[in-house]
Amino acid sequence: KQEVTQIPAALSVPEGENLVLNCSFTDSAIYNLQWFRQDPGKGLTSLLLIQSSQREQTSGRLNASLDKSSGRSTLYIAASQPGDSATYLCAASNQAGTALIFGKGTTLSVSS
Amino acid sequence: GAVVSQHPSRVICKSGTSVKIECRSLDFQATTMFWYRQFPKQSLMLMATSNEGSKATYEQGVEKDKFLINHASLTLSTLTVTSAHPEDSSFYICSASRQGVDTQYFGPGTRLTVL
Repeated sequence: KQEVTQIPAALSVPEGENLVLNCSFTDSAIYNLQWFRQDPGKGLTSLLLIQSSQREQTSGRLNASLDKSSGRSTLYIAASQPGDSATYLCAASNQAGTALIFGKGTTLSVSS
Repeated sequence: GAVVSQHPSRVICKSGTSVKIECRSLDFQATTMFWYRQFPKQSLMLMATSNEGSKATYEQGVEKDKFLINHASLTLSTLTVTSAHPEDSSFYICSASRQGVDTQYFGPGTRLTVL
């Protein structure tokens, strides 16, 4: 059974710092992996989706990598801003069209 | 495009009452919809998967007679929490997918508080 773990649970950084959020999964036979952002009391915003055949995806200041062999994904945020403060969730899908398996998230706080 | 709405966004009810939550895909046909539940400081946990026109598939530990799911059309799925109790208080989020597209589109969630 797929399990997704995110470390650290919380992270505080000063504005402008580059940072890395970590996600690990137990079953390397994933179909794809997604990173989401969740603001307090709100729904999910999809940030990046990486197919199992891909190694990384980039969108603006965000870069997500995928290493299936080690069961890891990282989300790199460059030049962090206070507006980046949120909880970041990693989720894996084992098959096309199936539900996502989520980690507990990393709550990021960027201070100005 | 690919917007999913949920209604209501917040609901407070008394213990023992039933609450219906709607999930709609506004600009696409959703062949499959998923219902998740998120307790404070916890991850999203899948409750059930529903395909249009067929019975929902529930995850282990989720009572199908308590959480009634109906997916009567390609744009609407409903979750009814029957005889709600305080322990059912949670954040309920739906997502929808369409055939041939990997991305799931999430609704904004419904905060249920049972007094």
